Amino acid sequence: DGGITQSPKYLFRKEGQNVTLSCEQNLNHDAMYWYRQDPGQGLRLIYYSQIVNDFQKGDIAEGYSVSREKKESFPLTVTSAQKNPTAFYLCASIEGGRGKTEAFFGQGTRLTVV
Amino acid sequence: AQTVTQSQPEMSVQEAETVTLSCTYDTSESNYYLFWYKQPPSRQMILVIRQEAYKQQNATENRFSVNFQKAAKSFSLKISDSQLGDTAMYFCAFEGTNDYKLSFGAGTTVTVRA
Repeated sequence: DGGITQSPKYLFRKEGQNVTLSCEQNLNHDAMYWYRQDPGQGLRLIYYSQIVNDFQKGDIAEGYSVSREKKESFPLTVTSAQKNPTAFYLCASIEGGRGKTEAFFGQGTRLTVV
Repeated sequence: AQTVTQSQPEMSVQEAETVTLSCTYDTSESNYYLFWYKQPPSRQMILVIRQEAYKQQNATENRFSVNFQKAAKSFSLKISDSQLGDTAMYFCAFEGTNDYKLSFGAGTTVTVRA
């Protein structure tokens, strides 16, 4: 079955460490997204990518980095520069139909700084 | 920059009654796409309804309908005959046609009471 997979489901990070969240899709979608979800603040866009080897900053990109070396993969690295990384992270993909198709979401990764 | 505003953090409705969620947005684009997504306690995002800005007719999906007022930049969601399974957080989303940026509002938590 086609879908979008995030791993791990839960992730614990020590202060000062970088961690990478995985997002893989087998839907052959062009565009991929990373969102952060905090209580009361909805989904805030971190980074998005329209095509391979290209990506754009979202609204809260500071302290995060991404890569898009393959169409199906869009990993997110939370760096030590992100001062408050504890949150729920969602990855999404869209076929690229300019709003004509829905976004598909992964199950999310809960990141906790310990 | 596009912004999406949901001014109702929480709404409560009796089973079988109707509830309306508000959403306003700001954009300089003339054509764009608007969405409502549902996030139940499982946290899996589900598309509820989609509206294309150049279509004047309001979208409808079973018990869900929208009131799209382009001049006012308003996009409200009406849930009719509310069911217990409608209990979830609802997000309004905007996608412009200049790029693939998909922005969400802060969300409205809807609780359906038996």
